[in-house]
Amino acid sequence: GAGVSQSPSNKVTEKGKDVELRCDPISGHTALYWYRQSLGQGLEFLIYFQGNSAPDKSGLPSDRFSAERTGGSVSTLTIQRTQQEDSAVYLCASSLKGDVAQHFGDGTRLSIL
Amino acid sequence: AQSVTQLGSHVSVSEGALVLLRCNYSSSVPPYLFWYVQYPNQGLQLLLKYTTGATLVKGINGFEAEFKKSETSFHLTKPSAHMSDAAEYFCAVSGSSNTGKLIFGQGTTLQVKP
Repeated sequence: GAGVSQSPSNKVTEKGKDVELRCDPISGHTALYWYRQSLGQGLEFLIYFQGNSAPDKSGLPSDRFSAERTGGSVSTLTIQRTQQEDSAVYLCASSLKGDVAQHFGDGTRLSIL
Repeated sequence: AQSVTQLGSHVSVSEGALVLLRCNYSSSVPPYLFWYVQYPNQGLQLLLKYTTGATLVKGINGFEAEFKKSETSFHLTKPSAHMSDAAEYFCAVSGSSNTGKLIFGQGTTLQVKP
């Protein structure tokens, strides 16, 4: 079946612009996670959704970062006023309720010029 | 708080040799432990997981890992390396909250020499 789908796969934008990253989880997966992977910081948790609610936003690095999830499915991660330190690969993962194993998408590689 | 330490950012083995990737964790609650593999320009693929029960866990592609509570370790092994095993490997822990969020180690790049 279809895995976690992320778009775009690559995004290049200028400093100060806003960007939106999309994640389409595996059908039926109620839990959705965003992570960031960068050379300096490794893999970091950003936010967790259960359904449309985000009970854990503790990893969002600043108020420029926000995320939403609608219909218990697709999620969008938005970064406002991008900075060069936002350059990273943003990974989305999903899992079935009660299953600890997370299934990852291929990520969006974000480059800020 | 939870944390993961992977010993060795780069490991090189010959094809056919034993693979041993080291992972130590810290957790104040019973941990769930994972190994993921990442190939270039791809996401993470789950190799194996430990939740409860049997401490020797078998995963895909011939990998296995043993949970040793007394040593707070979860080392990954494979008896015989294959060229296709060359990738980056991440150890991760969860369990400190109901969110299931993963805390990752810094990763180990495995090189397999012919």
